[in-house]
Amino acid sequence: DVVVTQSPLSLPVTLGQPASISCRSSQSLAHSDENTYLNWFQQRPGQSPRRLIYKVSYRDSGVPDRFNGSGSDTDFTLKINRVEAEDVGIYYCMQGTHWPFTFGGGTKVEIK
Amino acid sequence: EVQLVESGGDLVQPGGSLRLSCAASGFTFNTYWMHWVRQVPGMGLEWVSRLSPHGSSITYADSVKGRFTLSRDSARNTLYLQMNSLRADDTAIYYCARGYGLDLWGQGTTVTVSS
Repeated sequence: DVVVTQSPLSLPVTLGQPASISCRSSQSLAHSDENTYLNWFQQRPGQSPRRLIYKVSYRDSGVPDRFNGSGSDTDFTLKINRVEAEDVGIYYCMQGTHWPFTFGGGTKVEIK
Repeated sequence: EVQLVESGGDLVQPGGSLRLSCAASGFTFNTYWMHWVRQVPGMGLEWVSRLSPHGSSITYADSVKGRFTLSRDSARNTLYLQMNSLRADDTAIYYCARGYGLDLWGQGTTVTVSS
């Protein structure tokens, strides 16, 4: 199985400041169909996961433009430009290129 | 409204069985991949199983293979997960999710396996 590793585990951020989460995979996530299936999910406290970003950098409908995904091959990043209080939660990356799909261990974003 | 609603979670003894349901509404159910993902409370996410549109392809995580069975009833717009030979480490919140990219999730249903 593809191992997906996120860092940091915990990310205390000051309101209005940027935040960055790293996601690395043990194999290239470039698919033979020329897509790279790397998604980002947000899980707010007490809620279900919600997809924010798909195929590395495409924002889902309704996701604020302060969320940006980037990367390629095995190295990916989620950046939040200016953290707001509603961004508190756990963020997961997930690879959907290789079966079985696998998730990173999560990064907890909290306000300092 | 576009939504997924899971049900069927319960407290069950080790070795027991349970069937989870995921009712879909607001979209054309049988044109989407559907998945089950589970989460031990306070822990991360684990993909469990997936079903292709029209049900032609089903895949399971090694941890549930041979014990769990995924199916869909297109007439009822419902996804099912039949779970047999349940173990303590199956205890989790079970979510269904839509689409190859898991773009829509339900609220989850809790399965507790304990004597």
